[in-house]
Amino acid sequence: GESVGLHLPTLSVQEGDNSIINCAYSNSASDYFIWYKQESGKGPQFIIDIRSNMDKRQGQRVTVLLNKTVKHLSLQIAATQPGDSAVYFCAENRGGYNKLIFGAGTRLAVHP
Amino acid sequence: NAGVTQTPKFRVLKTGQSMTLLCAQDMNHEYMYWYRQDPGMGLRLIHYSVGEGTTAKGEVPDGYNVSRLKKQNFLLGLESAAPSQTSVYFCASTLTLQGARTDTQYFGPGTRLTVL
Repeated sequence: GESVGLHLPTLSVQEGDNSIINCAYSNSASDYFIWYKQESGKGPQFIIDIRSNMDKRQGQRVTVLLNKTVKHLSLQIAATQPGDSAVYFCAENRGGYNKLIFGAGTRLAVHP
Repeated sequence: NAGVTQTPKFRVLKTGQSMTLLCAQDMNHEYMYWYRQDPGMGLRLIHYSVGEGTTAKGEVPDGYNVSRLKKQNFLLGLESAAPSQTSVYFCASTLTLQGARTDTQYFGPGTRLTVL
């Protein structure tokens, strides 16, 4: 079925390096995506979103890239910090009452 | 503002028991959602509500019932708990006026439920 998924279950990086978390989607009609961060024992927290009429969107230390040709999006975190350690989810907003379809998540581990 | 709160934080049930999870939000949000999260997986939508007195099924509604008697509260019920319902349950809400799709969903801290 149609789904949103992630390439890597775990990503380990050194503090100060840049991190890239990837996500693939299968529904070519998808036009709105959101990245969430989930820390241990907490609910998901909104990071950044992007619509299909954009290829790139930047926030504070984060950038989301969308490649509609290959149905892929990525979350880039600059100068990764220990506080960035968490599970990151991409989610697709499939219209109609703002419902979200989540990918399985990638765990980001930041080492000093 | 407290945001989205969930009660209880933890619960252990025996198979066949019933319980109700409470979600409350103080942001005057119109839409509310219940998700479950199983180990190593993303969140899956159980039920949702687009306003007081209205509810609808999500992706995995079987074994659950919901009610939205007050705008600020969204209740999730398990009538006869099963081990397969062992999970972490998250509630979320969003403002969403006039069907806007870009409103952020705000999540509660979750309820960890174990069914023995």
